[in-house]
Amino acid sequence: DTGVSQNPRHKITKRGQNVTFRCDPISEHNRLYWYRQTLGQGPEFLTYFQNEAQLEKSRLLSDRFSAERPKGSFSTLEIQRTEQGDSAMYLCASSLAPEAFFGQGTRLTVV
Amino acid sequence: AQSVSQHNHHVILSEAASLELGCNYSYGGTVNLFWYVQYPGQHLQLLLKYFSGDPLVKGIKGFEAEFIKSKFSFNLRKPSVQWSDTAEYFCAVISSNTGKLIFGQGTTLQVKP
Repeated sequence: DTGVSQNPRHKITKRGQNVTFRCDPISEHNRLYWYRQTLGQGPEFLTYFQNEAQLEKSRLLSDRFSAERPKGSFSTLEIQRTEQGDSAMYLCASSLAPEAFFGQGTRLTVV
Repeated sequence: AQSVSQHNHHVILSEAASLELGCNYSYGGTVNLFWYVQYPGQHLQLLLKYFSGDPLVKGIKGFEAEFIKSKFSFNLRKPSVQWSDTAEYFCAVISSNTGKLIFGQGTTLQVKP
């Protein structure tokens, strides 16, 4: 158990629907990262937070993706009007020191 | 812009063979470097890390990596692999200035018993 909790673990949704994922970081970790990973690829950076401030959002990310971290604790990642190409594993990581600790991920399948 | 490149996408070795996985990064500032491992069906786990000091760092399970600043490289090594080392290996770099953590595309290691 890494201490980073992601929910749900699996999500199947119909194309066009909105989905929201939650990440609970390790307590007191001030940085929180979101990544997307597809089979055979490395984690692709989506966005990250320092406390409640979103510091950077990948230019590869369309406006359909949004992330929040209210109060600098848990974070949510929302995907609006899902497309089949959004099917992937969505990973969350948190850190206090430079090294990051990962959750188990949320696997999204868009049908 | 920050980037990480891993040279080998798929490596197949027999048990007891030596391993070296290449990693090069692109970033002009101060960085911290990592290798993560992902065993089948499991989450990403930290294998080893370099922050400063001795450029040869040792991690878990007999892995080590050498930071060569002049070559922007951080190659992973293990003298003798085991079947249980079968996994995906990811090199990652974090900028000390921005805190942004970037991964390479990964190397799949298959160790034959």
